[in-house]
Amino acid sequence: EVQLVESGGGLVQPGGSLRLSCAASGFTFSDHYMDWVRQAPGKGLEWVGRTRNKANSYTTEYAASVKGRFTISRDDSKNSLYLQMNSLKTEDTAVYYCARMSSGWTYYFDYWGQGTLVTVSS
Amino acid sequence: QTVVTQEPSFSVSPGGTVTLTCGLSSGSVSTSYYPSWYQQTPGQAPRTLIYSTNTRSSGVPDRFSGSILGNKAALTITGAQADDESDYYCVLYMGSVVFGGGTKLTVL
Repeated sequence: EVQLVESGGGLVQPGGSLRLSCAASGFTFSDHYMDWVRQAPGKGLEWVGRTRNKANSYTTEYAASVKGRFTISRDDSKNSLYLQMNSLKTEDTAVYYCARMSSGWTYYFDYWGQGTLVTVSS
Repeated sequence: QTVVTQEPSFSVSPGGTVTLTCGLSSGSVSTSYYPSWYQQTPGQAPRTLIYSTNTRSSGVPDRFSGSILGNKAALTITGAQADDESDYYCVLYMGSVVFGGGTKLTVL
């Protein structure tokens, strides 16, 4: 059974940093692109960014709203995905989901974690 | 910047049929954008319903269907049930992933 479990959320002050983790199991993690998606309170889903797999050189891409502040990484040996968030702003307050991108040329999220809440407030 | 558009809200009677759409602020949606649809109830993670325009994800009832209608992607729910009351999001792949703003569906 595919499982994605996020952790690391919490309360942080504006300008601070936080690192989220996503533990994956039940599939060959190294084969898949992995994404982060967030949802601010009462708002819609927003794509944050992606890390591609080893075959695609672990390249990353980010939404304009987080580029230069957030860094996505992965450790295939630990089946884990990470989101390093720096220079946090109040508008980064959201539930952060990790999501698995489907394999093949279908470009959709086939599995989601349950999310972890990040609150940026003084 | 191209925006993915969805109806903010929609209502349907139990047993009725409703079609939610997913468009672009500029241009037409085609299968080349690999439209996908997700259902989300409050406090829960999204659930994948439809991918590649019209393929149902595993376990999704066949009363959910996807298509291209005119210049938009569409999600049709036939025989709506009370537990279909949720938020529905479309996603288009345009080199990167873009979410629509979501549609809040009320069943009453």
